[in-house]
Amino acid sequence: ETGVTQSPTHLIKTRGQQVTLRCSSQSGHNTVSWYQQALGQGPQFIFQYYREEENGRGNFPPRFSGLQFPNYSSELNVNALELDDSALYLCASSSGGERAEAFFGQGTRLTVV
Amino acid sequence: GQQVMQIPQYQHVQEGEDFTTYCNSSTTLSNIQWYKQRPGGHPVFLIQLVKSGEVKKQKRLTFQFGEAKKNSSLHITATQTTDVGTYFCAALTDSNYQLIWGAGTKLIIKP
Repeated sequence: ETGVTQSPTHLIKTRGQQVTLRCSSQSGHNTVSWYQQALGQGPQFIFQYYREEENGRGNFPPRFSGLQFPNYSSELNVNALELDDSALYLCASSSGGERAEAFFGQGTRLTVV
Repeated sequence: GQQVMQIPQYQHVQEGEDFTTYCNSSTTLSNIQWYKQRPGGHPVFLIQLVKSGEVKKQKRLTFQFGEAKKNSSLHITATQTTDVGTYFCAALTDSNYQLIWGAGTKLIIKP
């Protein structure tokens, strides 16, 4: 176990709805990254939070937003869900810096119908 | 932006045969990490390579980082059924420590 927990594990939403995914980072880690992994593909970087501030963003539209809290847990919010948003959403925590390995949670499987 | 190309997409092997996956970048990488993702699971960190020409071994797994730090490989000797999964390389960007992922190579053991 990595110590990174995500909730919920599975979720079904209707197109146009909004969703919030949650991640508790490993103790001692101040950096959280979110990834979207479509079936059969590699993880795609959404954004990263470091000490409660966004520290970089991938090629995702503004309807993907996030937060990091003082305890370094994090949320990923997606508005106006589209069918293509169906994917495994992974949260990874790390201690930050150049040589930090990422510890992944088990992911949230989001299905948009 | 920075990209990491990984090949092949799939590799079918008989149990006991070897497996290799390659990652290439057009730009110099500060370091590269390797992850394994079992079917239905999440990526699990295997190793990180930092130095030019570095070679590291974990039992039957051998990881290499090219001299120019633009390519890397993972070689598995004598594959076993427990090796099944998708192997990803991921490189840290120079700017803000974000991981750029390869597309992964899926190791499939032929029945």
